[in-house]
Amino acid sequence: DADVTQTPRNRITKTGKRIMLECSQTKGHDRMYWYRQDPGLGLRLIYYSFDVKDINKGEISDGYSVSRQAQAKFSLSLESAIPNQTALYFCATRGTGVDYGYTFGSGTRLTVV
Amino acid sequence: RKEVEQDPGPFNVPEGATVAFNCTYSNSASQSFFWYRQDCRKEPKLLMSVYSSGNEDGRFTAQLNRASQYISLLIRDSKLSDSATYLCVVNPPPNYGGSQGNLIFGKGTKLSVKP
Repeated sequence: DADVTQTPRNRITKTGKRIMLECSQTKGHDRMYWYRQDPGLGLRLIYYSFDVKDINKGEISDGYSVSRQAQAKFSLSLESAIPNQTALYFCATRGTGVDYGYTFGSGTRLTVV
Repeated sequence: RKEVEQDPGPFNVPEGATVAFNCTYSNSASQSFFWYRQDCRKEPKLLMSVYSSGNEDGRFTAQLNRASQYISLLIRDSKLSDSATYLCVVNPPPNYGGSQGNLIFGKGTKLSVKP
């Protein structure tokens, strides 16, 4: 099994619909992250969580919400999807300590039509 | 100055070539550094960490120059399978810009190795 699992892998949804992207990890790390990636813009941080009770906005949180259901689970919701939220979404986890990098999930390709 | 800056490329090189990527970062107190590789439409994957003394992993060599705030990645004897985007990643000091030490990604340098 992958260290970080994202579902669904691909999703097409209509404008105005609510959609949830799910992420679970088996690394036992406290830190979890949601990023989106758009061509030419690189990775941009949406939300991050350092434990179940600690959730923080990233640079582009508007239009998104998150829920940290357990140490291993961190879900991202689009309350009312709009076309400019079409992107590749990555969940990641990271251990504490300066030498830890991120471990990413394989991504969710979301298309809003 | 951008927090992490990379030449976007693309770098188009023949098989067997040596290619070098550079990256600069803005915060001199940054704590640790990484190179990630990302294949098209796939997740970024850690290629190697970058240590002050420089480090090598097979055909890949990473260097860090703290005085110049500069990181490099050298790939020798390029393979077709090296074609990907290479991301420079920096761990800033705690509470830098409110980021609480979250890693900062460059936008990546695209490498295409041709037969």
